[in-house]
Amino acid sequence: AQSVTQLGSHVSVSEGALVLLRCNYSSSVPPYLFWYVQYPNQGLQLLLKYTSAATLVKGINGFEAEFKKSETSFHLTKPSAHMSDAAEYFCAVSKSSSASKIIFGSGTRLSIRP
Amino acid sequence: DAMVIQNPRYQVTQFGKPVTLSCSQTLNHNVMYWYQQKSSQAPKLLFHYYDKDFNNEADTPDNFQSRRPNTSFCFLDIRSPGLGDAAMYLCATSRGLGGVATDRNYGYTFGSGTRLTVV
Repeated sequence: AQSVTQLGSHVSVSEGALVLLRCNYSSSVPPYLFWYVQYPNQGLQLLLKYTSAATLVKGINGFEAEFKKSETSFHLTKPSAHMSDAAEYFCAVSKSSSASKIIFGSGTRLSIRP
Repeated sequence: DAMVIQNPRYQVTQFGKPVTLSCSQTLNHNVMYWYQQKSSQAPKLLFHYYDKDFNNEADTPDNFQSRRPNTSFCFLDIRSPGLGDAAMYLCATSRGLGGVATDRNYGYTFGSGTRLTVV
């Protein structure tokens, strides 16, 4: 079975500071990993994905994530937070052999302080 | 642009009155999903269609049904909405199985959601 655990349901950083959202995964097979962002009253938008190519994945809006197999982690980072980054972020995992049934983590709400 | 469209964005229904939510896609994706997302929670998969094959999650209540009359459209029917069914309902699509890891669109494409209120 596969799962993801997001550490911290709420993260608050100052504008311009580093953003670090943590995600650890559990998978019996090589995983595909995703980060999605959700703005209020909106659907989920794909930020980036890892599909067994480069371990450092760059996404939209200046976000990136690094797949670390030894740590079973896929943390999301951004060097400098903007006010517009305030949103809910979901880490997700799926089996590498299938495009279906992505499993979502419980989400981390990111707040940006002026 | 190819996309996933959900209608309506906001739906208010009465307790016990059947309601239908709509999802359409122009991506020609094989798989369509319905998720329920309650406040401050992760999306919870209700069911998905792979082409015409319906796949229900084990813990999805019988109150929730779905129809997919063609590739482009998928409907979520709630037969007798209760107060606990108030949530955001998200539709998503993806390509089919296998050989899609190099597809730059690999993964799910979500609609904007329908927020359901039960009064």
